[in-house]
Amino acid sequence: DSGVTQTPKHLITATGQRVTLRCSPRSGDLSVYWYQQSLDQGLQFLIQYYNGEERAKGNILERFSAQQFPDLHSELNLSSLELGDSALYFCASGRFSTDTQYFGPGTRLTVL
Amino acid sequence: AQSVSQHNHHVILSEAASLELGCNYSYGGTVNLFWYVQYPGQHLQLLLKYFSGDPLVKGIKGFEAEFIKSKFSFNLRKPSVQWSDTAEYFCAVNSGGGADGLTFGKGTHLIIQP
Repeated sequence: DSGVTQTPKHLITATGQRVTLRCSPRSGDLSVYWYQQSLDQGLQFLIQYYNGEERAKGNILERFSAQQFPDLHSELNLSSLELGDSALYFCASGRFSTDTQYFGPGTRLTVL
Repeated sequence: AQSVSQHNHHVILSEAASLELGCNYSYGGTVNLFWYVQYPGQHLQLLLKYFSGDPLVKGIKGFEAEFIKSKFSFNLRKPSVQWSDTAEYFCAVNSGGGADGLTFGKGTHLIIQP
């Protein structure tokens, strides 16, 4: 157990819908990262927040957004969902902006 | 942009065999290097990491990796594998001084036969 929690564990929804994935970092970690893991794209970095502010952006689609709240938990919002958005979404946390990242168990999103 | 290549996508070994998984990265600056393992149905776990210093890094579960700067490589090794090492192994890199997320290789699916 890495200490990073993610909810929900599984999510099934339809195309065009919007969902929110939640991540709570390890105690004391200020940095939260979001990744997408799919069969065709592999593991891809989406976005990073550090102490409430966006720090780095990866291959995140415009339909996706994230935020980090004052209690340091983070939410990833996915809208206008497409079949291709079906994937495992991982959250990771770290103590500093360039520290080792510890991964959560992931949320498996299925878009039908 | 950074990129990571893992040359072996599927590896099948017998128990007690030695393991070496290749990882090459492409990046001109200072890098941090990582190996993560993903057991079936589980999340990514850190095996070992290299930030600086001794290029031979020892990790958990008897794994080690060697950073060879001239070859842009960070190969993972284990002298004697066990059935419980069956998993997906990912090499990853991020820039040493920056705040980028990790760039991952495609992964190596390792199967250990008893």
